[in-house]
Amino acid sequence: EAGVTQSPTHLIKTRGQQATLRCSPISGHTSVYWYQQALGLGLQFLLWYDEGEERNRGNFPPRFSGRQFPNYSSELNVNALELEDSALYLCASTKSGTVNTEAFFGQGTRLTVV
Amino acid sequence: GESVGLHLPTLSVQEGDNSIINCAYSNSASDYFIWYKQESGKGPQFIIDIRSNMDKRQGQRVTVLLNKTVKHLSLQIAATQPGDSAVYFCAENTGTASKLTFGTGTRLQVTL
Repeated sequence: EAGVTQSPTHLIKTRGQQATLRCSPISGHTSVYWYQQALGLGLQFLLWYDEGEERNRGNFPPRFSGRQFPNYSSELNVNALELEDSALYLCASTKSGTVNTEAFFGQGTRLTVV
Repeated sequence: GESVGLHLPTLSVQEGDNSIINCAYSNSASDYFIWYKQESGKGPQFIIDIRSNMDKRQGQRVTVLLNKTVKHLSLQIAATQPGDSAVYFCAENTGTASKLTFGTGTRLQVTL
């Protein structure tokens, strides 16, 4: 069974551009979580989607947005990119809308803003 | 609360010794906790979990201890091996419609 898959693995953008990151959860998982991990730092919660709806949002500006599709895959969009947006963006999925189950992570998308 | 953007503390242990990684969690309502291991260039991987109705859970070479009184979680790794070198994160969840909140992480370095 395939795990959580993220694409692309690496993305290089210039300041002011937009980035789109994609995540496919494990089959049967309905919840998708996005986290930002700056180099050498911890994981900062970005967004949580379940059953196509945004359920929770972290302390990030509105230029960070996303959506979840009917097949439960998800997109993270970052508009007006800034240098400090350079980070590893991780997606995780779980079976249900609550997280009292193990969350499985993808390998991440390394976004570099130059 | 949210994990803060602090640089990761490092724990150095000799191969064969036991490792203890600590985590202080923030929400007294949290009822589910997970330890994750993140190797360089990879996403976090599940190690072990524990629910708040337990104070100890054992896996293969790993033990998680939960002290709800002081909101403290620890991960013990027995007979630490070079392959255990990684960053370890604890995560908490309240069990209601919420998100996993991660601790700042600890880098474990295993020396030969």
